[in-house]
Amino acid sequence: RKEVEQDPGPFNVPEGATVAFNCTYSNSASQSFFWYRQDCRKEPKLLMSVYSSGNEDGRFTAQLNRASQYISLLIRDSKLSDSATYLCVALQGGGNKLTFGTGTQLKVEL
Amino acid sequence: ETGVTQTPRHLVMGMTNKKSLKCEQHLGHNAMYWYKQSAKKPLELMFVYSLEERVENNSVPSRFSPECPNSSHLFLHLHTLQPEDSALYLCASSQDYPPRGLTTQYFGPGTRLLVL
Repeated sequence: RKEVEQDPGPFNVPEGATVAFNCTYSNSASQSFFWYRQDCRKEPKLLMSVYSSGNEDGRFTAQLNRASQYISLLIRDSKLSDSATYLCVALQGGGNKLTFGTGTQLKVEL
Repeated sequence: ETGVTQTPRHLVMGMTNKKSLKCEQHLGHNAMYWYKQSAKKPLELMFVYSLEERVENNSVPSRFSPECPNSSHLFLHLHTLQPEDSALYLCASSQDYPPRGLTTQYFGPGTRLLVL
């Protein structure tokens, strides 16, 4: 089983739609979680950290469910510029390793 | 953004060549990383340096040789690579190692490597 697992997509959604991605992790000792965004042929960039209580940043909402070992990312009112690959990242127990998922590709269309 | 820079951005090399990838961070961070990103695979951590000392080497073949002369610079020396080594090589840095709490890594733009 992969340590961090994501549906690779692509998710094709119309502009203005709401879309959600889930990510599951296998190491219950994982401490912290992040969503990174990676544009085509570019480097990953931090989108947001994920807090236990859930957190929101504009149109983006991240949630953590430790009991079920998954995190989610919700994007409201999708923009064309949201088209990218979204990487789920877990900081392993002991805090010495970031483990990346393969990413979920989002395509927002007119 | 110029926090973490990498050169070259693209590299084509033959299997008998020797080349080096360079990374420089301007963030005052203490830790630097090399990752490999192949198509449809998650980022694979290759090496970690903390305060110029190698602290992780994740079963990387010896044809990849890292060097960290100071906390701002990181090199990846390449020799006798294989076609399957073609990938995007990303450098990253973080304030501390291990990354603590919500400390995150900042990535460079990567070097896209093609081995013929």
